[in-house]
Amino acid sequence: DAGITQSPRHKVTETGTPVTLRCHQTENHRYMYWYRQDPGHGLRLIHYSYGVKDTDKGEVSDGYSVSRSKTEDFLLTLESATSSQTSVYFCAISDGGGPDTQYFGPGTRLTVL
Amino acid sequence: GQNIDQPTEMTATEGAIVQINCTYQTSGFNGLFWYQQHAGEAPTFLSYNVLDGLEEKGRFSSFLSRSKGYSYLLLKELQMKDSASYLCAVRDRKGGSYIPTFGRGTSLIVHP
Repeated sequence: DAGITQSPRHKVTETGTPVTLRCHQTENHRYMYWYRQDPGHGLRLIHYSYGVKDTDKGEVSDGYSVSRSKTEDFLLTLESATSSQTSVYFCAISDGGGPDTQYFGPGTRLTVL
Repeated sequence: GQNIDQPTEMTATEGAIVQINCTYQTSGFNGLFWYQQHAGEAPTFLSYNVLDGLEEKGRFSSFLSRSKGYSYLLLKELQMKDSASYLCAVRDRKGGSYIPTFGRGTSLIVHP
């Protein structure tokens, strides 16, 4: 199994508070991704990173920011959490070569009250 | 953008064969993936197709037709543990990278 962890695994917070989720990998993979998964929507890409300090937006990036200051860590921040951001968040990594398979972390269940 | 379509739910009987279809529209196709996701768990990689044809891996096979924008995942000798969601993902060019986009997933229920 790919070495990828997420923290926290569960979090309950209140509307308007900032929240940061952490993804940590031990595989030295180039690419890291943040997805959210909601019933009826599948996995939707929030942001991704293709190297240290190199990030780009996905299809549902509004209300989220990311940072990658080290190869192994990719942080997702909800600047002011809203109830619509209640979801399960998955981090994924890939090495950028062919076939560039993604490996997923265990997920973080976030509830915004 | 991409449009990826797969059935929402399918049911099948233990020991049978089931085919899960995925159709897509994309401008810069660079590979198609199938993932399996059990309830409450992370997706795990099943198969990858980038050229037309069939890729076989044990009880699971995946087929791709790029000209038709079509793929299927074939599961043989179904077992109860195959009850899961199956995600089709298409990789497309985004800026200088190739990024996968996922369909909404097909929930497979295997009955005894």
